[in-house]
Amino acid sequence: EADIYQTPRYLVIGTGKKITLECSQTMGHDKMYWYQQDPGMELHLIHYSYGVNSTEKGDLSSESTVSRIRTEHFPLTLESARPSHTSQYLCASSGSLGGAQYEQYFGPGTRLTVT
Amino acid sequence: RKEVEQDPGPFNVPEGATVAFNCTYSNSASQSFFWYRQDCRKEPKLLMSVYSSGNEDGRFTAQLNRASQYISLLIRDSKLSDSATYLCVVNWISGGYNKLIFGAGTRLAVHP
Repeated sequence: EADIYQTPRYLVIGTGKKITLECSQTMGHDKMYWYQQDPGMELHLIHYSYGVNSTEKGDLSSESTVSRIRTEHFPLTLESARPSHTSQYLCASSGSLGGAQYEQYFGPGTRLTVT
Repeated sequence: RKEVEQDPGPFNVPEGATVAFNCTYSNSASQSFFWYRQDCRKEPKLLMSVYSSGNEDGRFTAQLNRASQYISLLIRDSKLSDSATYLCVVNWISGGYNKLIFGAGTRLAVHP
């Protein structure tokens, strides 16, 4: 089992609120990712990080922002939540060495509902 | 054309059946390939990595054909617990940048 955690697991919040979704991993992985997935739909990469103080936007444009101050922690922030942000947010990480370095391990996800 | 294409299914099969999923990818520079399993409303979980022409893990066999840019997953002796969505995932590396591209998934439903 991968040691990657996300909190909260479920969040229902009103429009305009600021939210932070937490993601942490204890595997010492240098690469971390955020994906967005709607029910029955494919995963879309919204942010990734290759190490501390390194963050990049993914393929799907997102109003969220991320930070990577510590190797194990990769939080995602929405400054002003809107109903269009309702989705599942999945965090993943991958290691840096060997043939398995490209295998990504996922956290359990945060299911966000903005009312 | 999508970078990774899969038959969406659903594949409805009885217990004990053998089922095969196909996946094609468009980027010939892709170097690593994976199959993930995703249960309803859960996170994807790594099922198999495919680094050479293919590999086998119990009832599961993955095959890779680089010339045809085609990957397959074969499940033998299907169990009820195999019901899930199977994601074909392709890794593309360019200039130190590593990107996993996920297919939309193939749904499998195994019935008694």
